[in-house]
Amino acid sequence: AQSVTQPDIHITVSEGASLELRCNYSYGATPYLFWYVQSPGQGLQLLLKYFSGDTLVQGIKGFEAEFKRSQSSFNLRKPSVHWSDAAEYLCAVGGVEYGNKLVFGAGTILRVKS
Amino acid sequence: DAGVIQSPRHEVTEMGQEVTLRCKPISGHDYLFWYRQTMMRGLELLIYFNNNVPIDDSGMPEDRFSAKMPNASFSTLKIQPSEPRDSAVYFCASSLFGAGTGELFFGEGSRLTVL
Repeated sequence: AQSVTQPDIHITVSEGASLELRCNYSYGATPYLFWYVQSPGQGLQLLLKYFSGDTLVQGIKGFEAEFKRSQSSFNLRKPSVHWSDAAEYLCAVGGVEYGNKLVFGAGTILRVKS
Repeated sequence: DAGVIQSPRHEVTEMGQEVTLRCKPISGHDYLFWYRQTMMRGLELLIYFNNNVPIDDSGMPEDRFSAKMPNASFSTLKIQPSEPRDSAVYFCASSLFGAGTGELFFGEGSRLTVL
């Protein structure tokens, strides 16, 4: 069973436009949720994480994500996209219910058009 | 501070050859992870170590794959014999805490092509 779903393989947005990348997880009462970014030819870098508390978390590079337990979602948002944001974005879930391992979604490739 | 260092960055080899990928984790990190990334299967956890001890190798695809961590500053992932379907990018990552609860720091990856 797929644990993490990122329904959009590719997304194209115009520079300056807002962005929302979707992520849903399959199960877990207390999931730990992460968003990573991968630039071409590079490793992954953590953008933000959610463990508990405030369901709206702020990350680096102006990104934020909101945890919605009722929807099993952890969508990533940015109000104004820059050309340098073009990359692949991977959602991941971990925690005790995932065997203390990090399970990644398939990723969403973001293209930014000027 | 140096991040996670992997070598080689690129490896092209022929089917049947032995491949060894190397990783130096961030000093002080107790956890080390090996991931494989392909277009078809995305990012998959192969094995992870805690304090140099393999904890979970359930993601290792076959006996052709083996991983070692002889000390806190070095790990290897070996494929013998290699096959074309092993072509992928292999990432090493380290963490201060476990994967499920902590931030993973990734190396830049080793891109393997098996002809």
